[in-house]
Amino acid sequence: DGGITQSPKYLFRKEGQNVTLSCEQNLNHDAMYWYRQDPGQGLRLIYYSQIVNDFQKGDIAEGYSVSREKKESFPLTVTSAQKNPTAFYLCASTALRSDTEAFFGQGTRLTVV
Amino acid sequence: AQKVTQAQTEISVVEKEDVTLDCVYETRDTTYYLFWYKQPPSGELVFLIRRNSFDEQNEISGRYSWNFQKSTSSFNFTITASQVVDSAVYFCALRKIQGAQKLVFGQGTRLTINP
Repeated sequence: DGGITQSPKYLFRKEGQNVTLSCEQNLNHDAMYWYRQDPGQGLRLIYYSQIVNDFQKGDIAEGYSVSREKKESFPLTVTSAQKNPTAFYLCASTALRSDTEAFFGQGTRLTVV
Repeated sequence: AQKVTQAQTEISVVEKEDVTLDCVYETRDTTYYLFWYKQPPSGELVFLIRRNSFDEQNEISGRYSWNFQKSTSSFNFTITASQVVDSAVYFCALRKIQGAQKLVFGQGTRLTINP
C-alpha cells in the first residue's frame, strides 16, 4: 500500500538534545513537507522540499534542520536551538502538479522531558 | 498574506443532528485552492475535498456538503445526520494554485458527536 510512514510515533527529548524524526513515502511524490501542530492551533509549515538535494524554509524554520538525499525520505532534526519543541509533527507529500492534494503521515508526538 | 479562520473551536452535537463548520479565508490571489481535512484521533490528516476558486458550485458527497461563496470568502462544511464516527478535528486550508504547494491552515474545529 502506498503511503507516508513517520517514526517514531512518540519521542521524548531531554533538554539540549537533538532528535531526528523520520518520514518516508512510497507514493513517488516529488515534494515533501514538515508541519508542526500545537493544541488549538492549525498546522504551521516548518520546511519543504520540491526536489532531491533542495529544500526551503517555511514559516517557523528556526531551530529545525532537514535533508533530502533521497526522493523517498525527508528527515527532520529538532535541534537544541528550538526553545519549545513539544508538539505534534506531521509530514506530508504531494505530486508536483497543481490539481492534487497533500497526503499526510500519522505524525510524531515529541515531548521534552 | 494568506489567512484561514475557523472561529468555532469546539462543537458538540447529538447524533443525527446536522452540523456546519465555518471557514473564512483571506488571500490576495485571484486563483487558489481550498481544502477540508479530517483529523481522527489516530492523528493523520485525511483529505475530504479540494475546491478550485474558479468553481463556485456547491458539492455533495453522501452526508457531506460544501458551500463555497467567493463573495464572502467562505467555504463552509456541513455534515447531515451526523454519526459518532464523524467525531474528529476538522481543518480548512488554502493554497496558491501556482508554485510550491504550501498549505495555510485554519485553527481547526473539534467536532464531538454524542450518541
